[in-house]
Amino acid sequence: AQTVTQSQPEMSVQEAETVTLSCTYDTSENNYYLFWYKQPPSRQMILVIRQEAYKQQNATENRFSVNFQKAAKSFSLKISDSQLGDTAMYFCAFMKHGGGATNKLIFGTGTLLAVQP
Amino acid sequence: SQTIHQWPATLVQPVGSPLSLECTVEGTSNPNLYWYRQAAGRGLQLLFYSVGIGQISSEVPQNLSASRPQDRQFILSSKKLLLSDSGFYLCAWGTGLPNYEQYFGPGTRLTVT
Repeated sequence: AQTVTQSQPEMSVQEAETVTLSCTYDTSENNYYLFWYKQPPSRQMILVIRQEAYKQQNATENRFSVNFQKAAKSFSLKISDSQLGDTAMYFCAFMKHGGGATNKLIFGTGTLLAVQP
Repeated sequence: SQTIHQWPATLVQPVGSPLSLECTVEGTSNPNLYWYRQAAGRGLQLLFYSVGIGQISSEVPQNLSASRPQDRQFILSSKKLLLSDSGFYLCAWGTGLPNYEQYFGPGTRLTVT
């Protein structure tokens, strides 16, 4: 069974600084997808970024980028130029490729990020 | 663009009472639909998923059930709520191929008293 581990329950960063959130996962699959979701105080889950395991190039979405290390089963999220609106719980999630209709997302327990003014 | 709605936003129900949470999606047809539950301070756990009308699969045996009476409508139900059913319930729709992205609704906070 796949598991996702986020070892940092809470983190803090100053506005305009850069912060990296860690995520590791365990799987015997070779092809899969990894995601970072953001859950602000409104509790709406928002997709931040996606990475396909077969792609070596790290995904980037504006100020958000990932460092995907397949051999190490590591998938960290870097937030550059942090903004107050980035304050949220961040969840790392795994999805097995070819999971048929399920396409089940397996979530980590989250990292609460606080951006300080 | 696609939009996903959930209601109610907040619900307080006594133990033993029935439950019905509704989720509807706009702007897409024949979506894969999902119900997740988020316990306090934890990640999300998949409860049910559906690939079409009347097609429901359960991931976790429990006190809840799901139904999909229409293409873009997904309902989470219970005949008798337990205290352990309290939590934040999120509905999501999935894009499927090729990106397998899932997009979530605003959620329902359920408190069973």
